[in-house]
Amino acid sequence: DGGITQSPKYLFRKEGQNVTLSCEQNLNHDAMYWYRQDPGQGLRLIYYSQIVNDFQKGDIAEGYSVSREKKESFPLTVTSAQKNPTAFYLCATLNEVRSGANVLTFGAGSRLTVL
Amino acid sequence: SQKIEQNSEALNIQEGKTATLTCNYTNYSPAYLQWYRQDPGRGPVFLLLIRENEKEKRKERLKVTFDTTLKQSLFHITASQPADSATYLCALDIAPRGSYIPTFGRGTSLIVHP
Repeated sequence: DGGITQSPKYLFRKEGQNVTLSCEQNLNHDAMYWYRQDPGQGLRLIYYSQIVNDFQKGDIAEGYSVSREKKESFPLTVTSAQKNPTAFYLCATLNEVRSGANVLTFGAGSRLTVL
Repeated sequence: SQKIEQNSEALNIQEGKTATLTCNYTNYSPAYLQWYRQDPGRGPVFLLLIRENEKEKRKERLKVTFDTTLKQSLFHITASQPADSATYLCALDIAPRGSYIPTFGRGTSLIVHP
């Protein structure tokens, strides 16, 4: 999983609880992303951060929050306001492989289940 | 709005045959297009990137074509093996203003039968 560590791998949450998913990278990449994946829906962008202390909402940011206090870390908090949080969550960093081209390196993912 | 379409139905093929997966997009002119592989319960892994001025790109048994007129990319796996069974995702960058925001298709599941 290329220097990106997501934890925990599996997480169970009761309704009404906030949970935080960890994403740590040692790739020295500036930009980081959080995606949510549901069966048959592909990857949907929650938040992204291009640099420390800055982040932007993606397509489905409601009910989620993030912080980017360190280059290595981009934690995602799933709040009780997220109505359907059960999903597979993927963290990624941006790797410039060639001049003007960019690809993502993903972590192994965290599977959140709301009981 | 930007749309990326991949066949939602799984593609079943016999070992040794060539698998061809399709990615169509609308309302955008990307500078490049990417293909990723995703195994169950794992994060996607980058495979190939093709630029708008390239018609074809190869890597071992993989070949990608990019037709900007048709707004379509084809992803081929020749001499397919059961180990090639996975979901394959295409991705485009739709971001304005210099940001990089990759948008993914839903992916196509490939099943290679021995």
